[in-house]
Amino acid sequence: NAGVTQTPKFQVLKTGQSMTLQCAQDMNHNSMYWYRQDPGMGLRLIYYSASEGTTDKGEVPNGYNVSRLNKREFSLRLESAAPSQTSVYFCASSEAPFPHEQFFGPGTRLTVL
Amino acid sequence: AQSVSQHNHHVILSEAASLELGCNYSYGGTVNLFWYVQYPGQHLQLLLKYFSGDPLVKGIKGFEAEFIKSKFSFNLRKPSVQWSDTAEYFCALRAGNNRKLIWGLGTSLAVNP
Repeated sequence: NAGVTQTPKFQVLKTGQSMTLQCAQDMNHNSMYWYRQDPGMGLRLIYYSASEGTTDKGEVPNGYNVSRLNKREFSLRLESAAPSQTSVYFCASSEAPFPHEQFFGPGTRLTVL
Repeated sequence: AQSVSQHNHHVILSEAASLELGCNYSYGGTVNLFWYVQYPGQHLQLLLKYFSGDPLVKGIKGFEAEFIKSKFSFNLRKPSVQWSDTAEYFCALRAGNNRKLIWGLGTSLAVNP
């Protein structure tokens, strides 16, 4: 039982490059989330998926897109990376939408040069 | 606007000392409150949560928190810390039926052996 897994763990991009962050959970959870964590800013919700087939914007969705590929997988795409997107990205899942406990992945540390 | 304040950004304690980390929120209605912990190199994980009922909530690893509605507070306590409690601690709020969690900026705890 791996819980929530994320790939890659680290990534360096140049401004303008694109990439997709992958997230998968094996707990049969319905809801999944993408957060970014920045020094002095705490955790901020980028996008979430309350259930398979639905996605909604969080606090800071600009510059990102998401895909809920199936119940297990929820990917985050940066179409044209910017230095402001340098951050640590966390994926999380929960059995149902808030206020249920969220289970977090190990994070992806992304640097955009 | 709803917000969460964690007043102690960095706390340094010796083993066996008592711990209290402050968490205050701004919202006048029904709340759900959470404390998460991030040990060095590990995932964020839930320590404890308050939904309703007994305002004194017990969590894992000997932690507890008390919800005091009149003070808009949800402080985290542990009577005797250990070196292994060294971690970053986050308080989070769900305000009413809001579909997102609002996170504090975190408190970094260092416990000296």
